[in-house]
Amino acid sequence: KAGVTQTPRYLIKTRGQQVTLSCSPISGHRSVSWYQQTPGQGLQFLFEYFSETQRNKGNFPGRFSGRQFSNSRSEMNVSTLELGDSALYLCASSLGPEGGQPQHFGDGTRLSIL
Amino acid sequence: AQTVTQSQPEMSVQEAETVTLSCTYDTSESDYYLFWYKQPPSRQMILVIRQEAYKQQNATENRFSVNFQKAAKSFSLKISDSQLGDAAMYFCAYKGVNQGAQKLVFGQGTRLTINP
Repeated sequence: KAGVTQTPRYLIKTRGQQVTLSCSPISGHRSVSWYQQTPGQGLQFLFEYFSETQRNKGNFPGRFSGRQFSNSRSEMNVSTLELGDSALYLCASSLGPEGGQPQHFGDGTRLSIL
Repeated sequence: AQTVTQSQPEMSVQEAETVTLSCTYDTSESDYYLFWYKQPPSRQMILVIRQEAYKQQNATENRFSVNFQKAAKSFSLKISDSQLGDAAMYFCAYKGVNQGAQKLVFGQGTRLTINP
């Protein structure tokens, strides 16, 4: 079974641009979560989706948004990019939203802002 | 808000020896889950072991085991017979049951080096 697939693996943008990252969960998984990983702040929760609905959102500005499609694939969008948005963005999927369901992570998208 | 603390930024161990990584957490919830994830240089976060707070028995997965002390809010990971492939960043993570079921709260990580 294929794992969580994130595209692209690397992305370089400039300040003020916007970016869309994609995540395809493991087949059969319906819950998708996103995390931002930086050297300074570590791993921080961005948001969680299940059945095309955002169930929870982390403490990030409104420039960060996401959505989930009917096939459970998810995208996250960051508008008006800032230098501080440079990070590894990780997507994780699980069978469902129940707390005991383990999350399986993708390889991440490395976003660099120039 | 829940917090997770890993007090050891770096650890090293000789191949085939045993090493223990520390993790403490703070929560007011009575039911939750705790995890250890491993992140090698390839970047993918790999689930190492999971512990349910309502279970008193410590979880074990092959060479990996935990020492879960609920009253002390401590959750350490023991790696036995360390192998070169165990070298990675190790993250302790907390997941509550009541709020945002899939929201993981991570510690800052411990970089583990295996010396041949």
